[in-house]
Amino acid sequence: DTEVTQTPKHLVMGMTNKKSLKCEQHMGHRAMYWYKQKAKKPPELMFVYSYEKLSINESVPSRFSPECPNSSLLNLHLHALQPEDSALYLCASSPGFRSSYEQYFGPGTRLTVT
Amino acid sequence: SQQGEEDPQALSIQEGENATMNCSYKTSINNLQWYRQNSGRGLVHLILIRSNEREKHSGRLRVTLDTSKKSSSLLITASRAADTASYFCATDVYNQGGKLIFGQGTELSVKP
Repeated sequence: DTEVTQTPKHLVMGMTNKKSLKCEQHMGHRAMYWYKQKAKKPPELMFVYSYEKLSINESVPSRFSPECPNSSLLNLHLHALQPEDSALYLCASSPGFRSSYEQYFGPGTRLTVT
Repeated sequence: SQQGEEDPQALSIQEGENATMNCSYKTSINNLQWYRQNSGRGLVHLILIRSNEREKHSGRLRVTLDTSKKSSSLLITASRAADTASYFCATDVYNQGGKLIFGQGTELSVKP
């Protein structure tokens, strides 16, 4: 199984809502990533977990809260988002946190904040 | 900070033609990767080239790397309509493990 799954595919939320994005992989990968991608722009790294520990937080606002409950799961908790947070949120995984590994991406969650 | 820049931003060709995309970066790298993204979908890894390699092939893909010019190119030969997608180069960051910085991307359109 070389697939990264993400749920939900689409999410519409108000600025006062709390929601979560979920990502799952069963490839035994030990590094997992969250990216944010705006239309016609490249993905921008938000967070990296390596061996279930937060390794990188790219100065992301606290209204985004990542969680890695186990080596297969990655969540992104959302609270009090702004309309400018509307974007495609991509999850990725790799065997380890090294640039010599390719990253496997999920299909993304299209988030709209109203 | 932006590491990779790509040109052209957009490229439109006919099926059967070759497509060349270029990527330039600013700082020394260990590895450079190329990814493809179909509209609104996740990225798919195409090829990885190490800093000590000059050229790499995978099927209809050919990637070159010139570390002295800090640039790479991706050539797709005999393109097909199914190659229509955005293509991104991604470079690593010194001393930051597997962190990748993606270039701005080239939007390729292959017309049947």
